[in-house]
Amino acid sequence: AQKVTQAQTEISVVEKEDVTLDCVYETRDTTYYLFWYKQPPSGELVFLIRRNSFDEQNEISGRYSWNFQKSTSSFNFTITASQVVDSAVYFCALSEVRSRTALIFGKGTTLSVSS
Amino acid sequence: DVKVTQSSRYLVKRTGEKVFLECVQDMDHENMFWYRQDPGLGLRLIYFSYDVKMKEKGDIPEGYSVSREKKERFSLILESASTNQTSMYLCASSLGGGLGEQFFGPGTRLTVL
Repeated sequence: AQKVTQAQTEISVVEKEDVTLDCVYETRDTTYYLFWYKQPPSGELVFLIRRNSFDEQNEISGRYSWNFQKSTSSFNFTITASQVVDSAVYFCALSEVRSRTALIFGKGTTLSVSS
Repeated sequence: DVKVTQSSRYLVKRTGEKVFLECVQDMDHENMFWYRQDPGLGLRLIYFSYDVKMKEKGDIPEGYSVSREKKERFSLILESASTNQTSMYLCASSLGGGLGEQFFGPGTRLTVL
């Protein structure tokens, strides 16, 4: 069975705080991809990152960083020095090679950043 | 600039009506998807298509059907709308092979009265 768990339903922080969004996944496949998407209040999902199961290197993009650990089946997302514009719903998703096309999404974490 | 467009941002229909939600992508993508998004449930896959005239059921296909007559267009059909189909509907597309990022449309918020 495939499953993506985002245990944090809502997180509230004050601007400039660092925040980590957790994502834990389950899969029986050895080849899979993990994704993070951002859904701002406007509603359109925006792709942030894709990671394949063979690449455990951490990724940094500006204030965003991702920590992929196969040993704990986690793909966590950290925002450094958060800003009000980071307020959104963030989704983690999993795709297995053999599932052909579909993404399995977690239920999302709503991040609220106040000034 | 890549783009997925959906025919309506907001739609209000009555119970029992037949409803068409249209999605068009201009990226020549093979795969197209329809999701439903509800509070606390995240995104759930209704149907997807990996080629013209091909379709596969997702996790919650009951009460829905789809049509893909052209590569760029994927329609979601509610044969007889019911109040429990009030939701946000999101269309997405991706390249063939299934491992690339999916590009999403802006969504259609459907209310069934």
